[in-house]
Amino acid sequence: RKEVEQDPGPFNVPEGATVAFNCTYSNSASQSFFWYRQDCRKEPKLLMSVYSSGNEDGRFTAQLNRASQYISLLIRDSKLSDSATYLCVVNRRGYSTLTFGKGTMLLVSP
Amino acid sequence: GAVVSQHPSWVICKSGTSVKIECRSLDFQATTMFWYRQFPKQSLMLMATSNEGSKATYEQGVEKDKFLINHASLTLSTLTVTSAHPEDSSFYICSARVPGSGGNTDTQYFGPGTRLTVL
Repeated sequence: RKEVEQDPGPFNVPEGATVAFNCTYSNSASQSFFWYRQDCRKEPKLLMSVYSSGNEDGRFTAQLNRASQYISLLIRDSKLSDSATYLCVVNRRGYSTLTFGKGTMLLVSP
Repeated sequence: GAVVSQHPSWVICKSGTSVKIECRSLDFQATTMFWYRQFPKQSLMLMATSNEGSKATYEQGVEKDKFLINHASLTLSTLTVTSAHPEDSSFYICSARVPGSGGNTDTQYFGPGTRLTVL
């Protein structure tokens, strides 16, 4: 089983829609969780960290469920500029390295 | 956020040549940098962890004699792909670690990547 798994998509949604992505991780020693955004042929950029209590940043809401070992990202009121690949990223306790999922592609259409 | 640069942004070379990629932290010092490789439609795969002043730590399956890493200063790490072959063609991305403070987790900032094509 892969350490971080995501549905590759693509998720095709109209502008203004709400869309949610899930990600599961296999290593229970994972301690830090992030969502990164990667545009085509570009480097990943940190979108937000994911905290146990859940956190919100504008139109983006991240949730963590440690018992079930999954992380979610909710995007409200989708914009065309949200079209990108969203990477679920996990860091294991005691390690400085990050493990990336393959990403979920989002396409927002007019 | 912190800024990380990479040079070159793209390179095309003949099979058998060596290619050096530079990764610089522009406005901060980074004792730890990471090198990743990403093939089309695949996830970023960590190749090695580069520590300033010491040998790099390579991930399983990554040949240290083929991918030479040097982290000679707190702002520069280099990756040299020696005797490159077409299967080495990929998107190489570095990142620099900024330690967390006040209980916050570490953050990695990524360079813009180097697209290597080996003919």
